[in-house]
Amino acid sequence: QQQVKQSPQSLIVQKGGIPIINCAYENTAFDYFPWYQQFPGKGPALLIAIRPDVSEKKEGRFTISFNKSAKQFSLHIMDSQPGDSATYFCAASPGSGAGSYQLTFGKGTKLSVIP
Amino acid sequence: NAGVTQTPKFQVLKTGQSMTLQCAQDMNHEYMSWYRQDPGMGLRLIHYSVGAGITDQGEVPNGYNVSRSTTEDFPLRLLSAAPSQTSVYFCASSYSIAGELFFGEGSRLTVL
Repeated sequence: QQQVKQSPQSLIVQKGGIPIINCAYENTAFDYFPWYQQFPGKGPALLIAIRPDVSEKKEGRFTISFNKSAKQFSLHIMDSQPGDSATYFCAASPGSGAGSYQLTFGKGTKLSVIP
Repeated sequence: NAGVTQTPKFQVLKTGQSMTLQCAQDMNHEYMSWYRQDPGMGLRLIHYSVGAGITDQGEVPNGYNVSRSTTEDFPLRLLSAAPSQTSVYFCASSYSIAGELFFGEGSRLTVL
């Protein structure tokens, strides 16, 4: 089974800090890399996504950095707020062909932002 | 527009019992899927469907059965519940290949 390795498992930062969550993948056929955010008792929700034709994508305070040669991508949260406290999942899938519907998730990172 | 609706939200079963987790979406999405979430394991794909009448296995399909008779509904059946199936189950739908997945709020299942 294709894997997406996510680290760290948990992360505690102070308000205003910049938490960074890292993911690495093996399958070179992956070409869609979303991040999902999950609050307790809720289902995950799409936060931001990137395709390998760009090295960085920003949406508000959230930035994905992508390194195709290293097969790594990361999520940065600028000026983190207590409301950002949640579990974050990276994921990957092939964009077409066999398995293109199969989104493979990392194991998640529980982020706590302390006031 | 309710999105993805899962029922029940909570269920306790005894080993060997069978049950069905219901999932319905009102967004006319062709793609639907079931995931299970366990502590430290992330989200693992159980089964998925790319349209009515078409289903396929994901990473962890054993002990589960699915069918897709309509675009809207995608029930997940546990044939003979085992304690290893204690988990939170999420149904999700998407409008396209590698598109945004919309998740339900989950069904927490405990098998004693």
